[in-house]
This record gives sequence, structure tokens and C-alpha cells, in this order.
Amino acid sequence: DAGVTQSPTHLIKTRGQQVTLRCSPKSGHDTVSWYQQALGQGPQFIFQYYEEEERQRGNFPDRFSGHQFPNYSSELNVNALLLGDSALYLCASSVFGEPWSGANVLTFGAGSRLTVL
Amino acid sequence: DAKTTQPNSMESNEEEPVHLPCNHSTISGTDYIHWYRQLPSQGPEYVIHGLTSNVNNRMASLAIAEDRKSSTLILHRATLRDAAVYYCISIKDSARQLTFGSGTQLTVLP
Repeated sequence: DAGVTQSPTHLIKTRGQQVTLRCSPKSGHDTVSWYQQALGQGPQFIFQYYEEEERQRGNFPDRFSGHQFPNYSSELNVNALLLGDSALYLCASSVFGEPWSGANVLTFGAGSRLTVL
Repeated sequence: DAKTTQPNSMESNEEEPVHLPCNHSTISGTDYIHWYRQLPSQGPEYVIHGLTSNVNNRMASLAIAEDRKSSTLILHRATLRDAAVYYCISIKDSARQLTFGSGTQLTVLP
């Protein structure tokens, strides 16, 4: 059973460019969350998507946007890249459940390593 | 979410039990306690979670203090593959996000 798959695994961009990262959730999962992990730090929540809508957003600027498709896959877009955007971007999937529960478990992908020069 | 405090690093010998502590003194009654670990070059991996009672699964055990202000993740027999950063996370029942701290870097010595 394939887990969460992310692409690309590594990429290099220059300041001011735009990047799109992709995520396919684990089979049976319908909710996708994105996290940013800077070197040596724990992951930080960017946003969560369910039913093609952004359900919650962390403390990230509008340069970070996302999308979820009908097949539950998701994209993370970052515009006007800054050096500080260099990080590992992690996608996590889960089953939504209603209402959302603190007992929900996330399955993470291996991440996309973005380097901004 | 309640703030959690973990030691920055710990060492263990292979095939010995490991007890990873976590303090969450501001936890409220409906906050869950989750543990994730992150192996080198991988995304975080779910280990275990609990609310009030101790929990066991095939990976580990979670011992929760009676007042819920602390918990301990127990790896019964550490292997080299258990070397990772272990994150203790306290999450509100309605929260949709995991708030990661710095975690504990576990080193397993052969």
C-alpha cells in the first residue's frame, strides 16, 4: 500500500521565482496538510485541505497557497521565493472524520527539499 | 496546544529499554498526547498517542502520569533503526494541526 508520495524530491530555485510541490495522499485518506521544516527545527504547519477547501491555516503569508483536487491530491504553491523559504516541505494525509479529533493520526511523506539561491 | 518540554538528546544501548520523557504541565483535560519520530532524511512517523490511560502498540508504550502533566514514551528494546528525533506533541481535541517542538534526538549505541 503506497503511503504519501511527494514530488519532486529535490529542487533548486532562485529568489523571486515560483514553485509548485505535489502530494498524493495515502490510499483511503481524504485530508492533506502541508508543513515546512527548516534545517534543525521541527515542522511548522502551513495549512490543511479537505473537500478542496482550505480548512485551517498556520502563520504563513499569502505567498503560500494550495489546492486540493477531486482525487484528494494536493499542490503547494509558493510565489516570490525568498532565501528563507529554503526548507523541507512535508505533506501529511489523514482521514477527516467529522468532527475533527485530536486523536486523528497523520501519515507524512518524505518531503520535497527546496533550496532557494 | 499545551507547550511540551523534552530533553534535547538522549543515548541508549542497543537492545536495552529507552524511556523518553515529556513534560506538558499546561495540558487541559481534552488534549491528546501524540508521539512522532523522524528518522534521517524522512518525514515524521506516527508512533503512538493517548488521552488518559497508558497505551501499547507494536512500536512502543506510552505511560501517562495520573495528573497528565507528563508522559513517557517507552521503547522496549532499542535497535539501531530507532535512532531518530522523537517529538512529543500535545494537541487540542479540535485542533487540526500538530505543533512540533525541537524534540529529543535519540542515539542508539551498538
